[in-house]
Amino acid sequence: SQQGEEDPQALSIQEGENATMNCSYKTSINNLQWYRQNSGRGLVHLILIRSNEREKHSGRLRVTLDTSKKSSSLLITASRAADTASYFCATVFNSGAGSYQLTFGKGTKLSVIP
Amino acid sequence: KAGVTQTPRYLIKTRGQQVTLSCSPISGHRSVSWYQQTPGQGLQFLFEYFSETQRNKGNFPGRFSGRQFSNSRSEMNVSTLELGDSALYLCASSPGQVNQPQHFGDGTRLSIL
Repeated sequence: SQQGEEDPQALSIQEGENATMNCSYKTSINNLQWYRQNSGRGLVHLILIRSNEREKHSGRLRVTLDTSKKSSSLLITASRAADTASYFCATVFNSGAGSYQLTFGKGTKLSVIP
Repeated sequence: KAGVTQTPRYLIKTRGQQVTLSCSPISGHRSVSWYQQTPGQGLQFLFEYFSETQRNKGNFPGRFSGRQFSNSRSEMNVSTLELGDSALYLCASSPGQVNQPQHFGDGTRLSIL
């Protein structure tokens, strides 16, 4: 079953605006990762945030993690048309035997209008 | 470094057939994971191989199997194909430790007629 649940399912904004996507999960995690997927392509890793971290930045991306609320958010600032894609959060927990399985949510479909 | 390569990119099969998909990981990566992506179920974990051993398996029937070779290349096989197996199959590689991201290929789009 999906552990991560993104909110909203779809988001449409104007170029230059900020986009915020949220992710909630159910069990304890080692880390949480955000990925982007353009239509018909594979997933591209954006940011990994460990369970003992609260905030992380990468360029125009800012990710927060609140383990007490079991939630994370991804903020994309000054959005561009090229940011149009689906965004997924994935939680990682120790599934035994040293294996660290990614469990994905269903994603947020972001449309950035030029 | 070259990225993760999956072949073929597109495949059309009929019910009852079997199929083999291939994945070449990033050089030096020892872990290869497979995922199935469908509009209804989203991204679901199939299995993970590390140094030729299956380390973890998702909740899929035994018709789905895989293997990993000594050069870390991996294949997955689906036997007795069903219409519901139509999906994008994604392979991801990583060095295999917990706080390391996975790197995905562009997938194989499998269509079952």
